[in-house]
Amino acid sequence: GDSVTQMEGPVTLSEEAFLTINCTYTATGYPSLFWYVQYPGEGLQLLLKATKADDKGSNKGFEATYRKETTSFHLEKGSVQVSDSAVYFCALTPPVGNQFYFGTGTSLTVIP
Amino acid sequence: DTAVSQTPKYLVTQMGNDKSIKCEQNLGHDTMYWYKQDSKKFLKIMFSYNNKELIINETVPNRFSPKSPDKAHLNLHINSLELGDSAVYFCASSQGKGPQHFGDGTRLSIL
Repeated sequence: GDSVTQMEGPVTLSEEAFLTINCTYTATGYPSLFWYVQYPGEGLQLLLKATKADDKGSNKGFEATYRKETTSFHLEKGSVQVSDSAVYFCALTPPVGNQFYFGTGTSLTVIP
Repeated sequence: DTAVSQTPKYLVTQMGNDKSIKCEQNLGHDTMYWYKQDSKKFLKIMFSYNNKELIINETVPNRFSPKSPDKAHLNLHINSLELGDSAVYFCASSQGKGPQHFGDGTRLSIL
């Protein structure tokens, strides 16, 4: 069945470091792919999305590219800030059906 | 002008009680969801409604019963609460299969 696999956390980085959070997926056809962010005490917020192969989603300095050949959608940011500390979720929705699949989440802590 | 609002934000109650959580969205979306997030942040979908019709009904105890009186509301009623029900419950909405908008969660603690 369809699924999303994220790298396990927690991840701790110093401010201004480069961030990569890996996400791979299993799905039939071309799913839509998403990254959500959850700040402490809040609900999930959409960070970025991509709906077809080779699309690049970007927002707030974060980027992720839809790679069909490697079934991946890795999240990257060139220079993280303390305010980026949160839990990040990769997710997909398949082209057919109503399901929405979330990864297990990756906790990021950025220290000054 | 909150998009997805849940009440209550916190719910502390005794084992065996019955409780309800309410959710309302003002985005005009046609699909609403309930999720359960455990202490390790793992997010599990429980139910989804599209235009008041149940379309996703995952394997959850039948003590959990969703109700959607209209497109903008999706409530969750839980009977005979158990210790394992302690979690954060999130409501979300979307237009079709578009991105989901989440509420801030209801933190349920069972004593």
